[in-house]
Amino acid sequence: GESVGLHLPTLSVQEGDNSIINCAYSNSASDYFIWYKQESGKGPQFIIDIRSNMDKRQGQRVTVLLNKTVKHLSLQIAATQPGDSAVYFCAEIPPLLNAGNMLTFGGGTRLMVKP
Amino acid sequence: DVKVTQSSRYLVKRTGEKVFLECVQDMDHENMFWYRQDPGLGLRLIYFSYDVKMKEKGDIPEGYSVSREKKERFSLILESASTNQTSMYLCASSLSLFTDGYTFGSGTRLTVV
Repeated sequence: GESVGLHLPTLSVQEGDNSIINCAYSNSASDYFIWYKQESGKGPQFIIDIRSNMDKRQGQRVTVLLNKTVKHLSLQIAATQPGDSAVYFCAEIPPLLNAGNMLTFGGGTRLMVKP
Repeated sequence: DVKVTQSSRYLVKRTGEKVFLECVQDMDHENMFWYRQDPGLGLRLIYFSYDVKMKEKGDIPEGYSVSREKKERFSLILESASTNQTSMYLCASSLSLFTDGYTFGSGTRLTVV
């Protein structure tokens, strides 16, 4: 994910529609990717993860797709509900451990669900 | 479920005060982290700790210090609070740095006046 200044990218969807949130990651060698959901006034919560040896992983109503060729992650939410309204972050873990290579977060996308 | 508890949800402090933000996790995790979250800047790592009494600087350690005297507790210290430290502070823990996501606390919104 990329920071876009003071305002988060916002995706507005109708309740019941599917949502797709995108994220570009920076390190082509990253092994592990996570999507987090952060509701207003709360800390980020783990949604789903995927490892670099996979292209797709499904959870309950959520699917993560990984395209290593273009360093792109997406989170698909089926039948979006008002409770899905939140900021969504992608995160990547690089393969080498040192003080500069920790889990790094994208800038986030705000999902707004219209009833 | 792992629980990460931050002692305060909201704090208001004066410029120059010494501020302690406390974080406790209950699942025997080795690794603990402090992030700050600001609009448009996302989450930025301040400090992390991979063991008791061990600490490493993150991306923005200036103006902060940390303490990890016990495995379950990781404290963030603002030695002399300044207005540019007004932010949301998030503590997190993880069992492994490579194979697990982080579990976050609910955050402390600090305002320095």
